[in-house]
Amino acid sequence: EIVMTQSPATLAVSPGERAILSCRASQSISSNLAWYQHKPGQAPRLLIYDASTRAKGIPARFSGSGSGTEFTLTISSLQSEDFAVYFCQQYNNWPPWTFGQGTKVEIK
Amino acid sequence: EVQLLESGGGLVQPGGSLRLSCAASGFIFNNYAMSWVRQAPGKGLEWVSAINGGGDSTYYADSVKGRFAISRDSSDNPYKNTLYLQMNSLRADDTAIYHCAKSSMGARHFDLWGRGTLVAVSS
Repeated sequence: EIVMTQSPATLAVSPGERAILSCRASQSISSNLAWYQHKPGQAPRLLIYDASTRAKGIPARFSGSGSGTEFTLTISSLQSEDFAVYFCQQYNNWPPWTFGQGTKVEIK
Repeated sequence: EVQLLESGGGLVQPGGSLRLSCAASGFIFNNYAMSWVRQAPGKGLEWVSAINGGGDSTYYADSVKGRFAISRDSSDNPYKNTLYLQMNSLRADDTAIYHCAKSSMGARHFDLWGRGTLVAVSS
């Protein structure tokens, strides 16, 4: 099973600032990585797939990069609606599909 | 409207059973694999089970294998169908919000999720 590790667990950022979230895979997953945004009581939302492709309707301030075992999600200028938990997920080797434990982006 | 709506959660005693449902609408259901993903209190997302579009291949996390069963129906309307999760021999560590999720073509990432239904296992 591929283990996904996210860092940091919590990131405190001021509105308008940039946030950089990291995700590491326990073995190479090529570019088979997705990022999701999850707010309490809501459905998770797909942001990025194939490591760097924005999903339909996702603002350009969200960008993904990386391949192999190291990946990054960057939110260029945080808006109030961006404060949430972000999860990475690999789909290179399945089952199981595995997720990171999440990074909570909170208001500084 | 393209959406997934879960139901069937509740409070159940250890050893009990529950059947979750996920009403899918707005897309051709049989074209896509579907999954259940759960989130325990204070924890991250955990994939639980998946089923292919045809319904003849199923997959389970080790933590639920032999206790849970995923299935899907095929109605006359290809744009309105239901995904199920039969949960037996429930344990306290099954307590979580259960989300259904639609896979992208090729069963890779999950491009549509529901809000989830809460399952609480406690005596």
